[in-house]
Amino acid sequence: AQTVTQSQPEMSVQEAETVTLSCTYDTSESNYYLFWYKQPPSRQMILVIRQEAYKQQNATENRFSVNFQKAAKSFSLKISDSQLGDTAMYFCAFMDGSSNTGKLIFGQGTTLQVKP
Amino acid sequence: NAGVTQTPKFQVLKTGQSMTLQCAQDMNHNSMYWYRQDPGMGLRLIYYSASEGTTDKGEVPNGYNVSRLNKREFSLRLESAAPSQTSVYFCASSFSGTSTGELFFGEGSRLTVL
Repeated sequence: AQTVTQSQPEMSVQEAETVTLSCTYDTSESNYYLFWYKQPPSRQMILVIRQEAYKQQNATENRFSVNFQKAAKSFSLKISDSQLGDTAMYFCAFMDGSSNTGKLIFGQGTTLQVKP
Repeated sequence: NAGVTQTPKFQVLKTGQSMTLQCAQDMNHNSMYWYRQDPGMGLRLIYYSASEGTTDKGEVPNGYNVSRLNKREFSLRLESAAPSQTSVYFCASSFSGTSTGELFFGEGSRLTVL
């Protein structure tokens, strides 16, 4: 069974600084996708960034980038130039690409607070 | 664009009562999902419907039933609510299983069982 682990329950960062959120996963599959979702205080989950396992290049979306280490099964999220609006809970998630169900397996979440 | 709409947003039940959480999406998505969110446990899949007319159990299906009423609607029913079902429930949808992997979520429904 696949598992996703986020070992940092809470983190904080000063506005404009950089922060990295950690995620590790376990799977025997070779075809899979990894995601970071953001859940602000409003509760609505929003996709931040997505990585296909077959791609060696790390995904980037503006101030958000990932460090995908396939052999180590690690998938960290780096937020550059942190903004107050980045304050949220962040979830790492895994999807088995060989399944047609679209099911996501989520980690426990990391609460990030950006301080002014 | 409404996206994924869940009702109700808040509900308080007594142990043993029943209720149905409603979910509708207007994005013509094939797949729909129900997750529950509990502190320290992330989101766990309760049931999902990969396509209209099919439903399957997820990680934590006990105590729940679902109905995929049509392509737009996917409801979650608690037949006899228990305090362990106190949680925040999220409905989500996606175009198909693995097209992009992106799930679109509703705003959540906070359920308290006394």
